[in-house]
Amino acid sequence: EVQLVESGGGLVQPGGSLRLSCAASGFTLSSSEMNWVRQAPGKGLEWLSYISSSGSPIFYADSVRGRFTISKDNAKNSLYLQMNSLRAEDTAIYYCARGRAGDILFGQWGQGTLVTVSS
Amino acid sequence: DIVLTQTPLSSPVTLGQPASISCRSSQSLVYSDGDTYLSWLQQRPGQPPRLLIYKISNRLSGVPDRFSGSGAGTDFTLKISRVEAEDVAVYYCMQVTEYPYTFGQGTKLEIK
Repeated sequence: EVQLVESGGGLVQPGGSLRLSCAASGFTLSSSEMNWVRQAPGKGLEWLSYISSSGSPIFYADSVRGRFTISKDNAKNSLYLQMNSLRAEDTAIYYCARGRAGDILFGQWGQGTLVTVSS
Repeated sequence: DIVLTQTPLSSPVTLGQPASISCRSSQSLVYSDGDTYLSWLQQRPGQPPRLLIYKISNRLSGVPDRFSGSGAGTDFTLKISRVEAEDVAVYYCMQVTEYPYTFGQGTKLEIK
């Protein structure tokens, strides 16, 4: 069974850093594209970042470029999102989602991890 | 960036009746390979999003056949033939044709 499990969320002060993880099972990240998507409280979905199966190319939304870094560890079958210079507006649930699997994109999503940026 | 505009933003529907959600794109979603990467997702309260339909009209395995997608170019529609209680959710269209990927604002389906 394909499963994605995020972790690493929590409360952080403005300007602080946090690293999110997404553990994959049922498929191998080494052959998979992956994405991060977030959802602010009571708001819609916002795509943040993409990493290809090989690790390059990588794309970011303008809102996080230069502050967030996506990466993956194929040996651990895990995806990461390093978040620096956090702002109050980064408060959201962060989801990892599988990219292309055949013709299907975003067919699998994790349950999400909540990040709260507040002093 | 491609802007996706959904209408309506809220849709009160009677159980057993049909529902329809429109998604209009600010530019064509036809990719260079000839496919159109417009998807529909469902997000039930307190749950992560769930992919229902990809490439306009292809239902993911396990999605009830009362859900259908149609459209072309810049105009797309999600239809539910007979709404059931479990369909209460927010529905999003999403384009994965070009970066940055973008979502519609979401349409909240409620039961009258």
